[in-house]
Amino acid sequence: AQTVTQSQPEMSVQEAETVTLSCTYDTSESDYYLFWYKQPPSRQMILVIRQEAYKQQNATENRFSVNFQKAAKSFSLKISDSQLGDAAMYFCAYRSSPGGSQGNLIFGKGTKLSVKP
Amino acid sequence: GAGVSQTPSNKVTEKGKYVELRCDPISGHTALYWYRQSLGQGPEFLIYFQGTGAADDSGLPNDRFFAVRPEGSVSTLKIQRTERGDSAVYLCASSLAAGRSYEQYFGPGTRLTVT
Repeated sequence: AQTVTQSQPEMSVQEAETVTLSCTYDTSESDYYLFWYKQPPSRQMILVIRQEAYKQQNATENRFSVNFQKAAKSFSLKISDSQLGDAAMYFCAYRSSPGGSQGNLIFGKGTKLSVKP
Repeated sequence: GAGVSQTPSNKVTEKGKYVELRCDPISGHTALYWYRQSLGQGPEFLIYFQGTGAADDSGLPNDRFFAVRPEGSVSTLKIQRTERGDSAVYLCASSLAAGRSYEQYFGPGTRLTVT
């Protein structure tokens, strides 16, 4: 079974600085998707960025980028120019592709990010 | 357009009671997922529907939990004989289809508290 591990329960960053959140996963599959979700206090999960395992190029979405190391099974999220609105829980998630028909997400325990003004 | 909605937002019930949690997916989305998020944890998969049928219910913890989606749209998660350990946020997500490339859109969840 696949597992996702986030080893940083809490992180803090100064506004306008850069922070990196770590995520490792375990799988025997070669083709899958990885995601970072943001969950503010409103509880609604918001997709931040996703990476397809067969793509070597790291995904980027504005101030958010990932460092995907497939051999090391590592998938970290870098937030540049941190803003107060970035404060939230961040979850790393894995989605397998056994024929592509299921696709439920497997989440890590999350990292609580605080942004200091 | 409207996103995924869930009702009620909060539900407090006594141990042993029956509860129903409702999820209204985005119109036209055929796939619907239920997750449970306990305090301090990430969401855990419960059940997934493709259309009206439960395609995978392997995440349901026991037979007190049941979910339906009779018309392929709204889904209801039903919990019988609630226990304090059922207290959690129950999240619903929908996607256009079930394939891995389709984004799952989440609702705001229902916080269930069993006293």
